[in-house]
Parts: sequence; structure tokens; C-alpha cells
Amino acid sequence: GQNIDQPTEMTATEGAIVQINCTYQTSGFNGLFWYQQHAGEAPTFLSYNVLDGLEEKGRFSSFLSRSKGYSYLLLKELQMKDSASYLCAVRDRERGSTLGRLYFGRGTQLTVWP
Amino acid sequence: SAVISQKPSRDICQRGTSLTIQCQVDSQVTMMFWYRQQPGQSLTLIATANQGSEATYESGFVIDKFPISRPNLTFSTLTVSNMSPEDSSIYLCSAGEPEGSADPSYEQYFGPGTRLTVT
Repeated sequence: GQNIDQPTEMTATEGAIVQINCTYQTSGFNGLFWYQQHAGEAPTFLSYNVLDGLEEKGRFSSFLSRSKGYSYLLLKELQMKDSASYLCAVRDRERGSTLGRLYFGRGTQLTVWP
Repeated sequence: SAVISQKPSRDICQRGTSLTIQCQVDSQVTMMFWYRQQPGQSLTLIATANQGSEATYESGFVIDKFPISRPNLTFSTLTVSNMSPEDSSIYLCSAGEPEGSADPSYEQYFGPGTRLTVT
């Protein structure tokens, strides 16, 4: 099974940096994804990590340590529009399959204050 | 990228009835997924729909309650059967890897969701 844990809520001010942590346990790890979801909308893809290290994409970066079962999403130069839920998701590959299913954590609701 | 549409976008249904949700993808994909998102909660995977075979259900979900069809590589339906108020939720369709690809880095795209209220 999958056990994905992330904080429920975080707050920060405009222009600041925030780090959202995610820990996971899974038997067939095949990648970790971060999604952003605004209220009433579908999740949208932010980042993907399958190897250890940092992936940077503009104001957003994502880090993965497979040995620790740990990832974080780093958001820099926060803007009001970054207020949203951030979902950590793990792709779990069945034995003998090259494909996998995506399982989500409960999401971290980020509020950015002016 | 894949563009996914769902119908209906929302519905209010009576207890004991059934609702079928349609999901259309603008490209051929190997796997399609159905998720449920209850208010204030994250996404819970219901089942994986593959063409030509029965859907694979996650623990806690059964075919009699959530029958799924996958007649081709761009379309799937999810039926919520014999509904109760506990089934009130947003149901999201998602598309996986393009047909012919086994790239695990391929991101999953999501449809806009169907907001279901059972009274």
C-alpha cells in the first residue's frame, strides 16, 4: 500500500519562500509528483522527480530523497495567486508492470497573505 | 498534453438512483483513472480503466457500486450505483501515458470533475 504524509495547512507572506514537505512509503516507487489545485478546479501538474536531487522550474523547485522516502516542494517569491492546495503524489508500479497508478497525499492548503 | 472533458459537470440526484459520468480524452491513452475527492479532502483512486479488460478497483471500491466501461482508447464511463448521501463528492477522470509509451515520467492530466450531490 501507500502511506503519504504532508502538513494540512501552511501560511506565508507575499515575496517569502515556503517549503512543503512530503514523506511516503510505497512498495513499487516509480516517481513522485507535485500538483497544484485551486478551489473548485482540477489539479494541475507542477513537478516530477524519480531520481534523488533537486529539480528547478522557475519559482518552483522539488527535491527527492528515495532512501529517506522524502520530498519537498519549494516555492519562492510567493504571490497571492499561489494560495492553493499542493498535492504530493506517488506513482506506484505493480510488480511486472511498466506503468503505475498515482496515489495522492491529503494535500497542503497554502495561504499567502499580503 | 491531453485535454480531458467530463459530462455532466454537476448533478443533484435522489437516493437509490444511479448516475453515469462520461470522460473524453482528446488523444489515445493507455490507462484512464477515476478518482473521488470529498469536500476538503485529497484525491482517492477508485479504479484504473484499461481498454479490453475489466477495470482494476482499489481497496474499498467494488464493481457493483462503481461499474466502469472503457470501450476505446479515448473514452470511459463511471457509474455511481444505488446512490446514498455518502456518495456526494467530486468525481475526477484522469488520463495516463499515451498509447504506445511506457514512460513513467508522463504526467497525469485531470478532467474538470463532476460535482455530485445526493439528497
